[in-house]
Order: sequence, then C-alpha cells, then structure tokens
Amino acid sequence: EVQLVESGGGLVQPGGSLRLSCAASGFTFSSYWMTWARQAPGKGLEWVANIKQDDSEIYYVDSVKGRFTISRDNAKNSLFLQMDSLRAEDTAVYYCARGMHVWGRGTTVTVSS
Amino acid sequence: QSVLTQPPSASGTPGQRVTISCSGSNSNIGSNTVNWYQHLRGTAPKLLIYSNNQRPSGVPDRFSGSKSGTSASLAISGLQSEDEADYYCAAWDDSLKGWVFGGGTKLTVL
Repeated sequence: EVQLVESGGGLVQPGGSLRLSCAASGFTFSSYWMTWARQAPGKGLEWVANIKQDDSEIYYVDSVKGRFTISRDNAKNSLFLQMDSLRAEDTAVYYCARGMHVWGRGTTVTVSS
Repeated sequence: QSVLTQPPSASGTPGQRVTISCSGSNSNIGSNTVNWYQHLRGTAPKLLIYSNNQRPSGVPDRFSGSKSGTSASLAISGLQSEDEADYYCAAWDDSLKGWVFGGGTKLTVL
C-alpha cells in the first residue's frame, strides 16, 4: 500500500524557517516525480513545488521562489521542503504527493507572532 | 484568483447526475491533460480522474471526466450523500511551468 506521511509542521514566527519531511513507503520512491502542495485556511489547493526522480528538474510556484527549497533522498525514501523567510500567507496544511496522484494527509504550518 | 475557473458550488439530490466545469486556457488545459480530485478538509485529497477521463482503480464508474479544447468537466451520476465534498481540477501550465488548480467546487447533496 502506498503511504506518504508528512511531518515537521508547527508554529513559527514570521521570517523564521521550518523543514518539512515526507516519508514514503509502498512503492519505488526513486521512480516517481514528487510534489508538495498546500491549502491555506478557507482557500483551495495550491501546488507549491515538484522534483524529478533524479533532481534534474525542479519547479516552484512564483510565491515561494527564492524562499523554499524542495529536495529528496532516494536512499531514504524521503522528500523534504526547506521553508525560509516564512510569511503569514504561508500558513497552510502542506501535502506531499507522489506525482499528482497519491497524497498524504498533510502537516500544518502556522506562521504567526 | 485561480488560473482554472470552477463554479464555487454545485448541488443535487440523491440519484441525480451533476456536472462540474473547469475552464482554462491554451497553456494549461488546451495543451495538457486534466486531473480531478475529491477533498474533505483534514483528509488526503483523492484522485478521481487523471489524463482527462481515466479512473484510478477503486474509483467508482459513477465518476467520469471529459475535456474539449480549453475546458474540462467532471460528471457524477447516481449522486450519493458520501459524495458531498470539495472537487478540484488541475493541469500543468506550460507558461507558468507549474501545476495550476481550479478554485474548487463545493458539492452539496440535498
């Protein structure tokens, strides 16, 4: 069974940093694009970033470019999202996904003073 | 303002057929395939349709998708109370170099 479990969310002050992790199991992690997406309170789903199997292609939504970094460790079946210079508008539930097909349950990030 | 446009709400009675539209442009729906998701806040989004009209295993055939030009639609037949959820369309956008979503449609089963 495919499983994606996000962790690392929490409360952080504006300007702070947080590193999200996603532990993958039940499939060959190194064979798939991986994705981070989010849903802010009262808003819809928003794609944040994705990364190709071998890191050779990485894309970000404009609002996080230069602040967020997506990475992966194929040996540890893990996906990461380093979030720096966090803003109130980054407050959301962050989801990890295999490609755009199978999604985790999310981890909550709150940016507030 | 979402790149893909969906109606904010839809409704139907049990057993009815409802459709949800998704309008885009040449750089997204016009050039790439469309996915549809079902989402209840606090849970994992669930893929209902991929590649415009393909159902993942386990998704009932009551759910169907179609695409024409720069628009797509999700149809749900034999509406059930458990179908009450938010529905989102998504597609890759060649100009933005990223995935774009519709704003979501809240489906109410009356």
